[in-house]
Amino acid sequence: DAKTTQPPSMDCAEGRAANLPCNHSTISGNEYVYWYRQIHSQGPQYIIHGLKNNETNEMASLIITEDRKSSTLILPHATLRDTAVYYCIVRVTGSARQLTFGSGTQLTVLP
Amino acid sequence: NAGVMQNPRHLVRRRGQEARLRCSPMKGHSHVYWYRQLPEEGLKFMVYLQKENIIDESGMPKERFSAEFPKEGPSILRIQQVVRGDSAAYFCASSPPDRRGEKLFFGSGTQLSVL
Repeated sequence: DAKTTQPPSMDCAEGRAANLPCNHSTISGNEYVYWYRQIHSQGPQYIIHGLKNNETNEMASLIITEDRKSSTLILPHATLRDTAVYYCIVRVTGSARQLTFGSGTQLTVLP
Repeated sequence: NAGVMQNPRHLVRRRGQEARLRCSPMKGHSHVYWYRQLPEEGLKFMVYLQKENIIDESGMPKERFSAEFPKEGPSILRIQQVVRGDSAAYFCASSPPDRRGEKLFFGSGTQLSVL
């Protein structure tokens, strides 16, 4: 699986959009970008994933650059409950293997 | 549709005792993964199982740790002769067979404290 790089921490004002970047410059053509988050003391939660097109669901949007070397997770209207560690993971889908979690980004939503 | 169920939520053991952590995957899921999270550290993969088979145990410590996922019943992570360094949160995840691990669904974890 390709290596990812994320900032260790970010702050965001409540009600504003939170934009979390991820670099994955060595991503290969069959690797997807996954985002999970872990709220303190809870199990990780799947957010979204994508290959090359932008994706949106009820939780977030995922923007992947055209060269696929980086991506941004967007939480459109951050709330205090979105405070968590956010993990960007790159892996091949269709193979039932484990996910490798890096250090992630600690997002703190401020009132 | 119940999510991944882990029990107990909290487990206290004295050094040298055995710890058994249980994980019931989501209905219809046949893949189970165990992760460990030491205090102030990230999630580390331990083992991946399918029914009655260990598929990948590359993250399991070589001694004292074992895992199983029998044909019937929950998956069990067993730690023999626990030491203080085993104190951690242990998370289980499951995924359905048809999507082959595309999304993992995690339980709430078991917090193991070794006195």
